[in-house]
Amino acid sequence: AQRVTQPEKLLSVFKGAPVELKCNYSYSGSPELFWYVQYSRQRLQLLLRHISRESIKGFTADLNKGETSFHLKKPFAQEEDSAMYYCALRTNQGGKLIFGQGTELSVKP
Amino acid sequence: GAVVSQHPSRVICKSGTSVKIECRSLDFQATTMFWYRQFPKKSLMLMATSNEGSKATYEQGVEKDKFLINHASLTLSTLTVTSAHPEDSSFYICSARRAVVSGANVLTFGAGSRLTVL
Repeated sequence: AQRVTQPEKLLSVFKGAPVELKCNYSYSGSPELFWYVQYSRQRLQLLLRHISRESIKGFTADLNKGETSFHLKKPFAQEEDSAMYYCALRTNQGGKLIFGQGTELSVKP
Repeated sequence: GAVVSQHPSRVICKSGTSVKIECRSLDFQATTMFWYRQFPKKSLMLMATSNEGSKATYEQGVEKDKFLINHASLTLSTLTVTSAHPEDSSFYICSARRAVVSGANVLTFGAGSRLTVL
């Protein structure tokens, strides 16, 4: 079955602390994974995708096929990082995205 | 950059009426659009995949006769909630797929449409 799991509903950290938002997936094929972010009152937008191996706004995510994980990390959280973060898996069935439940990141001053 | 526009952003209707939501890709052509439903503080649930010029593909458990999808052109897909009931009240989000230079397909999301059925 295709599934994306984000075990934490809410993650609260202080400014400057490291952040790790967990994402695990279940997919029989070759996965293509993404992180999307939704800031307050804004639309969902792409943060990063694993095939690019890029760092966006200080965030990175590495695909670990052995652990079927794609955790999102940032060494020093900023207040403006507060948002909802969704991990997503693209299937080979028409390219549809399956989303995780989302994790609300709250960065306190 | 690529922009997806949804209209209306908010709509209130009476139970039993039908409501149409439009999703437009403003500066690119989208052969495929996706419709999602988002519940408060919850994830996005994929409802259907809309392909230009063909019938939509619905996810399991989504009533195709209740949620009519039409993808009449490369820039427009519509979702019509027929005979709406209060339980259909939700936030509906569309996304359009575009190809980027790297060859990877990227989804661009609309701002969403909040439907309230009285």
